[in-house]
Amino acid sequence: ETGVTQTPRHLVMGMTNKKSLKCEQHLGHNAMYWYKQSAKKPLELMFVYNFKEQTENNSVPSRFSPECPNSSHLFLHLHTLQPEDSALYLCASSQDQRFFGGPTEAFFGQGTRLTVV
Amino acid sequence: GESVGLHLPTLSVQEGDNSIINCAYSNSASDYFIWYKQESGKGPQFIIDIRSNMDKRQGQRVTVLLNKTVKHLSLQIAATQPGDSAVYFCAEANAGKSTFGDGTTLTVKP
Repeated sequence: ETGVTQTPRHLVMGMTNKKSLKCEQHLGHNAMYWYKQSAKKPLELMFVYNFKEQTENNSVPSRFSPECPNSSHLFLHLHTLQPEDSALYLCASSQDQRFFGGPTEAFFGQGTRLTVV
Repeated sequence: GESVGLHLPTLSVQEGDNSIINCAYSNSASDYFIWYKQESGKGPQFIIDIRSNMDKRQGQRVTVLLNKTVKHLSLQIAATQPGDSAVYFCAEANAGKSTFGDGTTLTVKP
């Protein structure tokens, strides 16, 4: 248990659906991140939030919409996804954002396995 | 452009042997490096980090070596155990950006 909880663990959605991924941390961290992990590809940073403010959007398509209502919660809203968006979506948090996308002492959740059909 | 790569996608070792996982990076301005371990069904877990002003750092059963001359990073695991079986990622960070490598799958044979 890393202290970062992601729900749901698995999600299957159609291309016309709207769904949301949730991430929660109670580690007192101020920076939160969304990563995409596809098979046979390196981890890809998607978004960075620092003190609830988005500080990084790594050219992510608008069908992915992040939301950070407070330092403990991070959402990823999904709509009109494509089959190639199927992947493991990982949330991470760190004490601060000394390094964009490469936090010191990063804590990752277990991820949401997303399948788009 | 930036890239971080691992020399081998898979590594198989005998239980009790030492393991060495390698990583090459291309950005000479990188100032911070991290190794992560990802077990099946779990997210990446921080193992050890090293800053560019160091060339060696030791943890519990793990050692990270940094050779800035050839832009090479390695993770050494002493007395490898079955629980060490996982995918290992290196990552480098440079004042605003970080990049993850592809990952090396370590398999420990009993």
